[in-house]
Amino acid sequence: QSALTQPRSVSGSPGQSVTISCTGTSSDVGAYHYVSWYQQHSGKAPKLFIYDVNRRPSGVPDRFSGSKSGNTASLTISGLQAEDEADYYCSSYVGSFTLVFGGGTKLTVL
Amino acid sequence: EVQLVQSGAEVKKPGESLNISCQGSGYSFTSYWIGWVRQMPGKGLEWMGLIYPADSDTKYSPSFQGQVTISADKSVRTAYLQWSSLKASDTAIYYCASGIITPWYYFDSWGQGTQVTVSS
Repeated sequence: QSALTQPRSVSGSPGQSVTISCTGTSSDVGAYHYVSWYQQHSGKAPKLFIYDVNRRPSGVPDRFSGSKSGNTASLTISGLQAEDEADYYCSSYVGSFTLVFGGGTKLTVL
Repeated sequence: EVQLVQSGAEVKKPGESLNISCQGSGYSFTSYWIGWVRQMPGKGLEWMGLIYPADSDTKYSPSFQGQVTISADKSVRTAYLQWSSLKASDTAIYYCASGIITPWYYFDSWGQGTQVTVSS
């Protein structure tokens, strides 16, 4: 199972919006509604930010939103804040009790 | 409060065996799958596999099948990740994680990570 494809890096200024893409195939992202996004600050454990494509766990700001179209899922962060600077990983269920992560995207807040 | 507490950092030589652990508390340990995730130095997250502590049903990523063993002891609320013969390429941070509030295919609770260093 190959990793999902994410841009290596994205950047934006405070207050702006950025979108991170996560491209898979018709066997993973395109086949299931079970896409999630994790935020990982340097040296810390990842944290679940989005699940079921577009649902936020309690405590995650509504500045974070998820969507999916075909084989590509997206994470949009609006009103960028300095604390949003981190690595972001998408993940998808791929069937047969198997999961796959994306390669990760480094978000820089300029 | 849900907690997953992992064992401490390890430094091993190639060919040695290793067993790292992840103890759950604050929830019904046997009712939720526990997964393991690898993060090699400067690299991304890789899903390794899952175990259901109630009956030790285990699922592996094809990439890790045969390379590691995932097990659990429900009497001590602990999951384990084991190597029989370490390689330098096993150097990484290993996280345990579980979906407690969300379904099993998401990880809403994470351990703090265990650094494993394999070097001669």
